[in-house]
Amino acid sequence: EDQVTQSPEALRLQEGESSSLNCSYTVSGLRGLFWYRQDPGKGPEFLFTLYSAGEEKEKERLKATLTKKESFLHITAPKPEDSATYLCAVKLYTGNQFYFGTGTSLTVIP
Amino acid sequence: EPEVTQTPSHQVTQMGQEVILRCVPISNHLYFYWYRQILGQKVEFLVSFYNNEISEKSEIFDDQFSVERPDGSNFTLKIRSTKLEDSAMYFCASSEDRGYGELFFGEGSRLTVL
Repeated sequence: EDQVTQSPEALRLQEGESSSLNCSYTVSGLRGLFWYRQDPGKGPEFLFTLYSAGEEKEKERLKATLTKKESFLHITAPKPEDSATYLCAVKLYTGNQFYFGTGTSLTVIP
Repeated sequence: EPEVTQTPSHQVTQMGQEVILRCVPISNHLYFYWYRQILGQKVEFLVSFYNNEISEKSEIFDDQFSVERPDGSNFTLKIRSTKLEDSAMYFCASSEDRGYGELFFGEGSRLTVL
């Protein structure tokens, strides 16, 4: 069965304390892996797409990387406004749907 | 910046009533989706829609659900006879490209069934 697992479930960081969020997947035929940010009561906001192992994408304090079995979202020197739930999702070559993980709830303390 | 818009933002209904959730996808997008998120749980796929027909649906999307694109801009999700377990946030999303395109989500419609 295809699975997307995110860890940790929750993460509390001091402002400026860098860390990484993990998304591991066991799927057949990965077409792309997507990272989203979700604020409470809001829709997911697109961050990155990664298509092949070794690929990296950066945006401000965030960097996403991809291997054949997992993706990391590295957050460097986070600020309180980075507090949100970060979701990863995979899309396969077959079908239209995206499969989401349960997310990592990040809290950055000033 | 183009965005997906959804109405209503919150709807409260009695069990057994019909509900219609509305979405206006990004104008040049061709693929439309409904997802739902029960409080504290993961985002779950309901249905995808392309070229005026359903292209894929999940097990959740049973006979009480239907989707429609009644005109060139709106995309609707109808729940015919709501149940308590239909209470969730419903997200509309659109994509420019079926293959590689990312999904762009609306802000969601919170449905509360009493």
